[in-house]
Amino acid sequence: DTGVSQDPRHKITKRGQNVTFRCDPISEHNRLYWYRQTLGQGPEFLTYFQNEAQLEKSRLLSDRFSAERPKGSFSTLEIQRTEQGDSAMYLCASTPGGPTDTQYFGPGTRLTVL
Amino acid sequence: AQSVTQPDIHITVSEGASLELRCNYSYGATPYLFWYVQSPGQGLQLLLKYFSGDTLVQGIKGFEAEFKRSQSSFNLRKPSVHWSDAAEYFCAVGAVAGKSTFGDGTTLTVKP
Repeated sequence: DTGVSQDPRHKITKRGQNVTFRCDPISEHNRLYWYRQTLGQGPEFLTYFQNEAQLEKSRLLSDRFSAERPKGSFSTLEIQRTEQGDSAMYLCASTPGGPTDTQYFGPGTRLTVL
Repeated sequence: AQSVTQPDIHITVSEGASLELRCNYSYGATPYLFWYVQSPGQGLQLLLKYFSGDTLVQGIKGFEAEFKRSQSSFNLRKPSVHWSDAAEYFCAVGAVAGKSTFGDGTTLTVKP
């Protein structure tokens, strides 16, 4: 069990570019969550998956954001036409699937939009 | 809607002193409550969690927290702080679906 991994760890992009992040959850974890954390704040929920189904999306997730988990394993989060306000740490977490399960977080992807 | 307030943005304690970090929550039902620690460049690590039962919960690294329903609080405590405890601490309340709402964190500085 190698824990939740995220790639890349850092991404610098220019405003208007598209970026994609990847999250590999702990093997056999059914639920996968994406959070966004800006400086000085706690993580904010973006979306979560139960296997390959995206069950909930926060209103924070604008039309420029899309997330997928095509085979119920890894997930990708894409941001189109990035804006400076998208600069943040994007965190991924996974759980086995029960309502009281502990969330295991990855190290995050830090996005900087110039 | 659920929410979490951590009133102290920054706390400084001397090494060996006791520590209490405050957390107040708002939630319509029986809450699931968590404390996480985040060190620079690291992901969030769970210190402890409360779902039901004994209101005093023990966690890793010598931390404990007490759930007080009447005060809507879930304060984190440690009797003797070590320099390695310097980090940012987040309280969170969880919904049935497992997603969590986090407070804005408390940064702990430990003086030698």
